[in-house]
Amino acid sequence: EAGVTQFPSHSVIEKGQTVTLRCDPISGHDNLYWYRRVMGKEIKFLLHFVKESKQDESGMPNNRFLAERTGGTYSTLKVQPAELEDSGVYFCASSHFLAGDGELFFGEGSRLTVL
Amino acid sequence: RKEVEQDPGPFNVPEGATVAFNCTYSNSASQSFFWYRQDCRKEPKLLMSVYSSGNEDGRFTAQLNRASQYISLLIRDSKLSDSATYLCVVNLPSNTGKLIFGQGTTLQVKP
Repeated sequence: EAGVTQFPSHSVIEKGQTVTLRCDPISGHDNLYWYRRVMGKEIKFLLHFVKESKQDESGMPNNRFLAERTGGTYSTLKVQPAELEDSGVYFCASSHFLAGDGELFFGEGSRLTVL
Repeated sequence: RKEVEQDPGPFNVPEGATVAFNCTYSNSASQSFFWYRQDCRKEPKLLMSVYSSGNEDGRFTAQLNRASQYISLLIRDSKLSDSATYLCVVNLPSNTGKLIFGQGTTLQVKP
């Protein structure tokens, strides 16, 4: 069975540009999460989808970040316009149960570098 | 104060050693607790859940002390392949699906 896949694995853009990250969760997982790790800091929650609905987006830093999950399958996270502090590794995870009830399966992450 | 605190290390130990990591969490109402493992430049993977009574999985033992808001992970007979970053993870009491991660403790097992 395929795991969580993310694309691109690495993106280098200039400040002010736009980047869209994509996540394909494990098939059948209704719960999809985005997390981010900024250099030297802990992994932090961004948001949580249940199917196509945003369940919790309390971790989204600001309105330059837009996440979607049309049709309840794959998800995209768009950063527009990108700032230097957006650099980091963006992890997507999926689960059958809620995070506290079971295992989260993470993708390998999308490393974003903003110059 | 961070919600989940860990000593970042690194812990450098010889093969065969026993090593223990600790973690404290700030929210006394937290309900679920986990240890995740992350290899360099890879994704976090669940190592084990942590139960109130303590639990063991092979060479790994996890303990939870709710009164002290403290979680531990003990690794016995360390292997080279145990070298990784160990993440202490807590679930918020509202069970929204949001996990709170510690910064991680790095372990390097030497031959």
